[in-house]
Amino acid sequence: SQQGEEDPQALSIQEGENATMNCSYKTSINNLQWYRQNSGRGLVHLILIRSNEREKHSGRLRVTLDTSKKSSSLLITASRAADTASYFCAPGLRGGYNKLIFGAGTRLAVHP
Amino acid sequence: DGGITQSPKYLFRKEGQNVTLSCEQNLNHDAMYWYRQDPGQGLRLIYYSQIVNDFQKGDIAEGYSVSREKKESFPLTVTSAQKNPTAFYLCATALAGLYGYTFGSGTRLTVV
Repeated sequence: SQQGEEDPQALSIQEGENATMNCSYKTSINNLQWYRQNSGRGLVHLILIRSNEREKHSGRLRVTLDTSKKSSSLLITASRAADTASYFCAPGLRGGYNKLIFGAGTRLAVHP
Repeated sequence: DGGITQSPKYLFRKEGQNVTLSCEQNLNHDAMYWYRQDPGQGLRLIYYSQIVNDFQKGDIAEGYSVSREKKESFPLTVTSAQKNPTAFYLCATALAGLYGYTFGSGTRLTVV
């Protein structure tokens, strides 16, 4: 299957805590992408990590990739209530046009 | 401002009726995608197009049709053959290469 599978399905934390979400996939990839979806809205692209990269940072986001284990993790540090959303990973199989397949996501709730 | 416009935001369909969802973009992206999202679920790919006058079926194309006569537009028709069309429909665009998707804000379709 081309899609990524996120774990856990749901995560509930307090503001200021870190949130870690995991993604597993089954195919060889060119890149892996993470997206956020606020309730009732479209997805927003957060970060793309290439298959030859092991770690990437963007603000409070840290993404790791382990191609030998076919897994990735998304860490959100110092979470805020505004981070409450669903998070999806999507493996990109090639560097050209990708046909992204999305799993069910991780629903993150950050409580004030 | 560059972006994707999906319209209408809410759409109600009677049984046996065809309806068309609009997706327009001014990002100059070549690739366009249609996804369906059911409550608490991930996104399932309906159709995608990487070039004008060409499109491919995704995983759940039955009961749907598309056209790509202009680079800017990729309308989705939900036909009467789609027996369970109530869902949230998302349009996305992409450039070739290591870029993420840009999503529209979605159309919520309800059968009445």
